[in-house]
Amino acid sequence: DAGVIQSPRHEVTEMGQEVTLRCKPISGHDYLFWYRQTMMRGLELLIYFNNNVPIDDSGMPEDRFSAKMPNASFSTLKIQPSEPRDSAVYFCASSLSGGSQPQHFGDGTRLSIL
Amino acid sequence: AQRVTQPEKLLSVFKGAPVELKCNYSYSGSPELFWYVQYSRQRLQLLLRHISRESIKGFTADLNKGETSFHLKKPFAQEEDSAMYYCALSSRGSEKLVFGKGTKLTVNP
Repeated sequence: DAGVIQSPRHEVTEMGQEVTLRCKPISGHDYLFWYRQTMMRGLELLIYFNNNVPIDDSGMPEDRFSAKMPNASFSTLKIQPSEPRDSAVYFCASSLSGGSQPQHFGDGTRLSIL
Repeated sequence: AQRVTQPEKLLSVFKGAPVELKCNYSYSGSPELFWYVQYSRQRLQLLLRHISRESIKGFTADLNKGETSFHLKKPFAQEEDSAMYYCALSSRGSEKLVFGKGTKLTVNP
C-alpha cells in the first residue's frame, strides 16, 4: 500500500497564479484532512471531509482557498489567486472513522509562491 | 477553544539519557491526546495515543488531567529517536485534531 499520495511534491509559481494540490487517500478511509504547515503557525487543519462531504472548513484562511472531494479516491485543494504568504507545506491525511483512529499522512506538497 | 502547547522547540540529549517532551493542553471537555512523530525523510505518523495506554519504541505518555499535560517520556534515549514530535488533541468522538507546534529531539552519540 502506497499510503496517502499527494502531488505535486514541489510547486513553485508566481503570485496571482492558480495552484491545485492533489490527494489520493488510502482506499477505504472515510475521512480526509488538509493541513498547512508553516514555521510560524505550525500544523493547522484547513478542512476535512467525511464520506466526500466537507464537515469543517473553519480553518480555510480565506475565499482564495477552496477544496473539493468529487469521489472517495480524490481530493483537491485550490488557491486562486495565490500570494507569497501562501508559501508552506500542505499535507493531506486520511483515516478510518470510529474515534481515535490514526491519521495517515502523505509526503506533503512544498509550495513556494514568488 | 482547544489549544496544545509544546514549550520546547528544540531538545537535545545524549544517548542513554532519559528524555521528556512536554505537552500541555487547554480544553474544557473530555480530550483525547496523541503523539505523532516525523523521522527524517519519512511521513508524519502516529506514535501513541493515551486511550491505548501503550508503550511504543520505549516511549510512554500519561494523561494528567489535573495538570492538563500529556508528556512523552523514554528512560533511555537512542540516536534513532531523533525526530520531530507533535502532540495533538481531539475532543471525544471527533476526528478533528489540533496539533502543537512540535519539538525537535536530537539524541547525540
